[in-house]
Amino acid sequence: QVQLVQSGAEVKKPGSSVKVSCKVSGGTFSTNAISWVRQAPGQGLEWMGGIVPIFTKTNFAQRFQGRVTITADESTDTVYMELSSLTSDDTAVYYCAREFRNGDLEYWGQGTLVTVSS
Amino acid sequence: DIQMTQSPSSLSASVGDRVTITCRASQSIGSYLNWYQQKPGKAPKFLIFGASSLQSGVPSRFSGSGSGTDFTLTISSLQPEDFATYYCQQSYITPYTFGQGTKLEIK
Repeated sequence: QVQLVQSGAEVKKPGSSVKVSCKVSGGTFSTNAISWVRQAPGQGLEWMGGIVPIFTKTNFAQRFQGRVTITADESTDTVYMELSSLTSDDTAVYYCAREFRNGDLEYWGQGTLVTVSS
Repeated sequence: DIQMTQSPSSLSASVGDRVTITCRASQSIGSYLNWYQQKPGKAPKFLIFGASSLQSGVPSRFSGSGSGTDFTLTISSLQPEDFATYYCQQSYITPYTFGQGTKLEIK
């Protein structure tokens, strides 16, 4: 049984950074890509980027390039997503999801609410 | 980026109805099309991959079809637990992109 468990809600000031974790249990950690998807309040889903842990190969949506970092720790089967230079537009629920094959988001974490407010 | 457009944006239907949601890609994506179901306050659930393959455990009343740029999700006989928002998503090329969602409501 594959499970993805994310870290808890965060409240951040504009201009700061946030780091969200996603611990994966079950299945094979290293070879399955993990994506990050966010959802602003009342809005749709937006893919931010992903990582294949065994290759430490990352891929990002252009609009997040330079502002998002995704890393994987194979010793703890945990993936991290750090987003910097936060603005109120970054207020959203952030999800991690394990890919079945490229882009097929089979298993999802429970989501982490990040609120950016002064 | 590939744009994904769903229609309708919202839909009212009754238990037992057959409903169809359409999704159009701005360029050909072959069969690299997935469907997800999301209920309020919950993570999306993976329903269909490869345009027409049902994920394990998903009821057979759900089906998908299409290729190229035009795709459909059909629910053959709506059940109370099917009222949710549905998203299509292309997995053809990054950035993976989603449709804007179709909210399925009880009539």
